[in-house]
Amino acid sequence: LAKTTQPISMDSYEGQEVNITCSHNNIATNDYITWYQQFPSQGPRFIIQGYKTKVTNEVASLFIPADRKSSTLSLPRVSLSDTAVYYCLVDEELSGNTPLVFGKGTRLSVIA
Amino acid sequence: EAQVTQNPRYLITVTGKKLTVTCSQNMNHEYMSWYRQDPGLGLRQIYYSMNVEVTDKGDVPEGYKVSRKEKRNFPLILESPSPNQTSLYFCASSFLPRSGFPGEKLFFGSGTQLSVL
Repeated sequence: LAKTTQPISMDSYEGQEVNITCSHNNIATNDYITWYQQFPSQGPRFIIQGYKTKVTNEVASLFIPADRKSSTLSLPRVSLSDTAVYYCLVDEELSGNTPLVFGKGTRLSVIA
Repeated sequence: EAQVTQNPRYLITVTGKKLTVTCSQNMNHEYMSWYRQDPGLGLRQIYYSMNVEVTDKGDVPEGYKVSRKEKRNFPLILESPSPNQTSLYFCASSFLPRSGFPGEKLFFGSGTQLSVL
């Protein structure tokens, strides 16, 4: 049973900011939140990871509220090349106690 | 270049013919894992390994075997493939978390598209 819930798909125009929210109501104290991006015919690649508050890197920002029951991946000024599937993963530091469970991902389509 | 290498990229086989998909990483990662990806179902973990000679079942292990005799290699074995194992397969690896640091990011291979006729 997936531990996360994301919208199945989203559309955006080029140049807009895109926010993808992931719900993880049963997140555990030791769980981290990680987002991956997958282009067609490629393996997923790491985008960003966080535990609480806000994390920003050169690709995206990750907003995590105090209760940590959800998180929002923010992509600033998207371009056509950001069209991909985005996966939210919640896991206890790859502890090996349980299998990793990816959700079904959010398919983002960027339109010119 | 740091990478996870899967072979073959494409594979067509027939029901019941044993096959192996290889996975190798050059980053000295302890953690390795296999996933299958099917339309509408996202990524599902098949097996994972925390280190040499240590393997555990993921969410969908039925019909698959793995081995971890060396740190860098983690082959996926289908002893008797069936059409419902037609899928896109990914191998991934990572460092295990250290005290005070979260689990490192997963590095994925390019995928193996398997068709079982």
